[in-house]
Amino acid sequence: QVQLQESGSGLVKPSETLSLTCSVSGDSISSFYWSWIRQPPGKGLEWIASFFYGGSSNYNPSLKSRVSLSADTSKNRLSLHLSSVTAADTAKYYCARLLRFGELTYMDVWGSGTTVTVSS
Amino acid sequence: DIQLTQSPSSLSASVGDRVTITCQANQDIRNSLNWYQQKPGKAPKLLIYDASTLETGVPSRFSGSGSGTDFSFTITSVQSADIATYYCQQYDNLSITFGHGTRLEIK
Repeated sequence: QVQLQESGSGLVKPSETLSLTCSVSGDSISSFYWSWIRQPPGKGLEWIASFFYGGSSNYNPSLKSRVSLSADTSKNRLSLHLSSVTAADTAKYYCARLLRFGELTYMDVWGSGTTVTVSS
Repeated sequence: DIQLTQSPSSLSASVGDRVTITCQANQDIRNSLNWYQQKPGKAPKLLIYDASTLETGVPSRFSGSGSGTDFSFTITSVQSADIATYYCQQYDNLSITFGHGTRLEIK
């Protein structure tokens, strides 16, 4: 059974870079697509990006210029970096497995999320 | 960009009621629509994918329908355990958008 666990910088200063890791257990990260999603306090879900190891990445146009994705297959984990953060980036950040079967695409496994606060 | 309009933004129901949430896309997305449940303080949970397919282990009181631009999500007999916010979500060439959510309360 696949399990995901997010971790990273809980407090980030404005203009700095937010760095998060999603540790995956139960399957190889190179076998699936993965997504990052965030949720500001009291608000809805916002898709950040999706990623396939060794393949393509797709980004929310509103965040694309600031987002960097990477993966470490030796540690079976994914990373998200978001640069030039502002208070608007304060949110709970989730990673999720993105299953794709032809036109079928859905996020079936989610991590529990990690909270990031942007503040000086 | 594909936008999703989800309504209502909140609703209150009694245990045993039937409730329906709608989600409208601003362009044809075929069946590329999923529904998630998010309980307070928890991660979202997939309930329905491909507009109408129930995820394994999800109770049959949950259902989804629709295609093209108009979709709906129904709970046939609301239980107290269903207190949550529900989101629709579309995918189009791996660009993903969520609806703004519907918060379900129990009277």
